[in-house]
Amino acid sequence: AQRVTQPEKLLSVFKGAPVELKCNYSYSGSPELFWYVQYSRQRLQLLLRHISRESIKGFTADLNKGETSFHLKKPFAQEEDSAMYYCALSGYNAGNMLTFGGGTRLMVKP
Amino acid sequence: EAGVTQFPSHSVIEKGQTVTLRCDPISGHDNLYWYRRVMGKEIKFLLHFVKESKQDESGMPNNRFLAERTGGTYSTLKVQPAELEDSGVYFCASSQVFAGEGETQYFGPGTRLLVL
Repeated sequence: AQRVTQPEKLLSVFKGAPVELKCNYSYSGSPELFWYVQYSRQRLQLLLRHISRESIKGFTADLNKGETSFHLKKPFAQEEDSAMYYCALSGYNAGNMLTFGGGTRLMVKP
Repeated sequence: EAGVTQFPSHSVIEKGQTVTLRCDPISGHDNLYWYRRVMGKEIKFLLHFVKESKQDESGMPNNRFLAERTGGTYSTLKVQPAELEDSGVYFCASSQVFAGEGETQYFGPGTRLLVL
């Protein structure tokens, strides 16, 4: 069975500090990993996906198949990064459901 | 381009009543998904339509839940009769898959359901 674990429910950092939101997964096969973000009073939206290998809003995430991890990182946190972050997984075939982690609330303090 | 819309945004009903949630996907999107998040739990998959056909309904909790997507456009999710444990936020997402590209699911704002 596929599973996504986000060990931290809440992560609080000061503005300008580095941030790392952890995500571990279990999946038998080749998964596709995503990070979704939900800002206050907004809908869930895709932040980035591992196959794109791109940086969005300064965030990056590298898929580590050996450690089955897909941690989200940003070197210098901004106050506007405060939001709920969800790690999600799907199979590598089109049309597959997403399996979500429990989410991590990131609070960036001034 | 309009995003995924859901109606109503909130619904408060009594145990035993019926509620119908509606989702309008992004125009042209063949894939439509329903998810829900109950209090304190993860967002969980309910079912997946491809056009008007149910592709995967493995996440539907029981037969009190009925989803339809007549004509392959909007979808409804009916809960009848509603129970206390059905309270939560129900999300809809849609996507279209293009050859050589990955799939991105676009989410609606959700319907917050409270069963008293």
